[in-house]
Amino acid sequence: GQQLNQSPQSMFIQEGEDVSMNCTSSSIFNTWLWYKQDPGEGPVLLIALYKAGELTSNGRLTAQFGITRKDSFLNISASIPSDVGIYFCAGRRTGANNLFFGTGTRLTVIP
Amino acid sequence: ETGVTQTPRHLVMGMTNKKSLKCEQHLGHNAMYWYKQSAKKPLELMFVYNFKEQTENNSVPSRFSPECPNSSHLFLHLHTLQPEDSALYLCASSQDAYGYTFGSGTRLTVV
Repeated sequence: GQQLNQSPQSMFIQEGEDVSMNCTSSSIFNTWLWYKQDPGEGPVLLIALYKAGELTSNGRLTAQFGITRKDSFLNISASIPSDVGIYFCAGRRTGANNLFFGTGTRLTVIP
Repeated sequence: ETGVTQTPRHLVMGMTNKKSLKCEQHLGHNAMYWYKQSAKKPLELMFVYNFKEQTENNSVPSRFSPECPNSSHLFLHLHTLQPEDSALYLCASSQDAYGYTFGSGTRLTVV
C-alpha cells in the first residue's frame, strides 16, 4: 500500500525552540493535511494544503506543499508545553477517495 | 452535540464477548471511516462508507463487522476478539475525502 515516510519519529526540544518535521511519499499527492493528536484523543486537523508550492500558516504553525507534490513540511515556531503530542501528515492522491497517513512525529517540549 | 462523537470512550471485553462501538457525526458529511491505532504503528484504515455503502474493507478479519444504517451513524460490532485487537479505534467523517474530522476514539482492551 501507499507509504508516507514521516520524520523525525520523535523530538525532544526546549520550550521556545522552533520545530520542523516533514513527510515524503513515493506518489504525487493533490492534498496534504497535518493533524495533531493529544493523548487519549483523536487527531485534530491543523492545516490543509491543496496546491503545489502553497505555504499556509495557522498561528505559530506553518506548512508547505512541496513543489514536487511528493512532500510536505510543518514548522512550529516558539514551541510551548501544549504543543506536546503526535503530529501526523496525511495525503490524498489524484483519483483516490481516501487519505493516507504518515507514521507520526512524537513531540516532547521540555519547560 | 457537534462534530464526531464516539461511545464508549473505554471498553474492556473478554475474548468471548460481543460488543459494539458507536460513532455519530453531526456535520452532514457523506463519508465515514473506521481506523485502528495501535501503539507505535501508523493509523490503519479498516472500513470506508460513502453514502451508507461500504466502499472499502481493508482486509479486516471477520470478527470486526461494520454497520452504517444512515449517513450519520456508524457501528463496529466486535465478536470473539483477540488480545492483539486491543487498540484505540477511531471514527472519522468527511465530505468526499477532504479534511477528515475524527472522534475522540474508543480505547479497547481485550482480556
